[in-house]
Amino acid sequence: EADIYQTPRYLVIGTGKKITLECSQTMGHDKMYWYQQDPGMELHLIHYSYGVNSTEKGDLSSESTVSRIRTEHFPLTLESARPSHTSQYLCASSEGTGWSHTEAFFGQGTRLTVV
Amino acid sequence: QQQVKQSPQSLIVQKGGISIINCAYENTAFDYFPWYQQFPGKGPALLIAIRPDVSEKKEGRFTISFNKSAKQFSLHIMDSQPGDSATYFCAARRRWGGNTPLVFGKGTRLSVIA
Repeated sequence: EADIYQTPRYLVIGTGKKITLECSQTMGHDKMYWYQQDPGMELHLIHYSYGVNSTEKGDLSSESTVSRIRTEHFPLTLESARPSHTSQYLCASSEGTGWSHTEAFFGQGTRLTVV
Repeated sequence: QQQVKQSPQSLIVQKGGISIINCAYENTAFDYFPWYQQFPGKGPALLIAIRPDVSEKKEGRFTISFNKSAKQFSLHIMDSQPGDSATYFCAARRRWGGNTPLVFGKGTRLSVIA
């Protein structure tokens, strides 16, 4: 069982609200990722981090922002939620060991609905 | 542009049969090819992975076949069981100054029926 936790599991929120999705891991992994999973299953990378104070945008244009102040914590923030943000958000982490490839561990996800 | 193309989108297999899911990629810089399994309400979990220096890797009932020249790889599930019913994702990662994030295929929803 992976030690990566996402809260909340489910969230229904009104348009225009600011929300933060939490992600924490206790494995000491350097690398963390946020993926958006649409109803058709496809996973889209929206943000990633290679370590503290490192953040990068992913392949999918996103109106969200992330921060990485502590190794174990990688929150995702939406400043003004819109119905188009309704989706499943998955957080993942992996060990940063240079050239070796390591497994990415995923949290259980946050299912966000914006009404 | 889809970097990893996965097919079929859905698959129904009889219990005891063989499930086969295929993926193709274009980027020759990819050098790590994992398969992830996702059950409803859960995040994806690593099932099996292969590097391009081998053509096949087997773990129990799960086998990855890799064809470097064709830039294709596939997952075979032997003796498929109802408990294998899940969504399967192929993925790839490129080594580019260090680890880079995984890119995923669109997923295959597998249903194993008794």
